[in-house]
Amino acid sequence: GAVVSQHPSWVICKSGTSVKIECRSLDFQATTMFWYRQFPKQSLMLMATSNEGSKATYEQGVEKDKFLINHASLTLSTLTVTSAHPEDSSFYICSAQGTGTNSPLHFGNGTRLTVT
Amino acid sequence: KQEVTQIPAALSVPEGENLVLNCSFTDSAIYNLQWFRQDPGKGLTSLLLIQSSQREQTSGRLNASLDKSSGRSTLYIAASQPGDSATYLCAVRTGANSKLTFGKGITLSVRP
Repeated sequence: GAVVSQHPSWVICKSGTSVKIECRSLDFQATTMFWYRQFPKQSLMLMATSNEGSKATYEQGVEKDKFLINHASLTLSTLTVTSAHPEDSSFYICSAQGTGTNSPLHFGNGTRLTVT
Repeated sequence: KQEVTQIPAALSVPEGENLVLNCSFTDSAIYNLQWFRQDPGKGLTSLLLIQSSQREQTSGRLNASLDKSSGRSTLYIAASQPGDSATYLCAVRTGANSKLTFGKGITLSVRP
């Protein structure tokens, strides 16, 4: 089945530093990738929609200058958390959709970010 | 605004039991509905995708049904096993290019 690889699976960083998370579709082309944030025992909150070759669309309340998204190819999207603060600590999950609009979403295994 | 509700938040059953997980949504004009499984500290695994024109989908011991008019979907798990223990989330999409709206999930524990 379709596989989405997310890296790293966990990261610890100091306040003020930047962290990059990669999301790759391994066996299909993903024109659209999505970035979610999940708090403990809560549902997934969509942060932004990333389309290959164009600017990401951010959800209301999500700072685009803080959460930089790049979707440079049909198999790779990256999320960079800039100038991280402890409140950015969370579980970040990416998902990718194939080229058909009826294609199911496939998710990465998530990245646990801890900012100290 | 679409809202997705999954009740109860947690469920514990003995091994071998057949069980039903419920999902309700407020806007019946959906494009599709998807059920996912999430293991602790992991991402989501897609289980079943039901298009708006479909009534149900089956995969192995799993069967998902969709009743758009009543705003409900159920995930039926037959002969539950301890390995089925996980959080199950349903999510709906209201348009071909719209975002998924997730429920908070049901954490299932299957006791040996």
